[in-house]
Order: sequence, then structure tokens, then C-alpha cells
Amino acid sequence: ETGVTQTPRHLVMGMTNKKSLKCEQHLGHNAMYWYKQSAKKPLELMFVYSLEERVENNSVPSRFSPECPNSSHLFLHLHTLQPEDSALYLCASSPRAVGDTQYFGPGTRLTVL
Amino acid sequence: AQSVTQPDIHITVSEGASLELRCNYSYGATPYLFWYVQSPGQGLQLLLKYFSGDTLVQGIKGFEAEFKRSQSSFNLRKPSVHWSDAAEYFCAVGGLTGGGNKLTFGTGTQLKVEL
Repeated sequence: ETGVTQTPRHLVMGMTNKKSLKCEQHLGHNAMYWYKQSAKKPLELMFVYSLEERVENNSVPSRFSPECPNSSHLFLHLHTLQPEDSALYLCASSPRAVGDTQYFGPGTRLTVL
Repeated sequence: AQSVTQPDIHITVSEGASLELRCNYSYGATPYLFWYVQSPGQGLQLLLKYFSGDTLVQGIKGFEAEFKRSQSSFNLRKPSVHWSDAAEYFCAVGGLTGGGNKLTFGTGTQLKVEL
């Protein structure tokens, strides 16, 4: 199912740069999520927003800063990242936040040099 | 705590052969169960889900899965695999209690299809 878009699709940044990832959902959902997917590791949940309020933060380093200005948009602000932060960052949304079906965007492939 | 185990990291099948991908879960109440598929460089696409009712669930692309509470399993099956099914498959568990706001994903099974 389409309906969750992410930009950019690819991003290369240096360790001193500041950049932002954007996610937009057109499904009328109330919850949005950021995940990190690294090679050979399980999907790692980073943040959960429900009705624009952050309801979960899974011990993510402060160099990742989420923002949810409304229920359709979610940002992930990045600063002073490390090479080990290189990964595929996936955004998802769900009608509610309680164990509900999640619909994923195509991801942003991030490379930190 | 909820968890998902996908015991097969890689599976190779011939085109036209049947497929079964295994998934075992741990969850303290009635689980919600999901199978997702991911093609290279893409996000996860929902194949099917089980919330309640009939334990045999039909999904897209000819896939089905069967919920077996006694075995804590939710295996994915397809009677005849197509070359385009080559991808990575993820099982996930969620629900109204325990994990609350999140789905817990397995580590994935990489499917290779031989022509």
C-alpha cells in the first residue's frame, strides 16, 4: 500500500553536517514512527509519535532529533552523526499507535562519511 | 517482553516450488501478527495480518499464513513461488498489551528463487 513518502531517498553527509529527513503520510493516520535498519540487524524502533505527541523514545542518541509538526508530517533532524549511523531510515504510520498495522515509506539510505 | 524468531536466515527454492517461512513469537496475550516483504532498497510492504477470527489468513501476491496458538507460530506459505518473490521477509508481533505502541520484528528471512 502506498501513501507514505520519504525524502530524500539517498543522503550522503559528513560528520559535521546538519541535515533533515522528511516523511509525509497521506493515509489520515494518527501515529508515525522512525525506524533504523542496519545490515544484519533487526529493525530498530527509534521514535513513536501519536497525535503529534512523542510517546516513545528508544534510548536514541541526542544527535537524532525528531519533530512532528502535525499528524501528516514527521522529520528526523541529524547533526554530528557517526559513520555507524549509516543505515536505511524507515518511516511508518498507523491508524492508531497500539500494536496496529504499520505502513512503511521507501526509506532514506543515509551514508555518513 | 514480546519477541519474534525467524529461524531461517536464508532460504533458496526453485521457481514453481512451494514455500514455507517460519515464524515463532512470544507474547503475553492475544497477539496481532504480521508478515512484511522488503525488496532491495525499498521499504516494507504488508503481505498479510492476523488480528482475530479465522486462523488461516490470506494475503496479497498469493501468500497465506496460519496462526497456531499452541505452537506460538505464524508461518508464511505460498504454493508456487515466482522469481519476483525473491526478497526479504519479516514477521512481526504487536497487540493491545505488553509492547503497546510498537511492533516487534524478527531478523528476517532472505528468499532466493532459482530459475
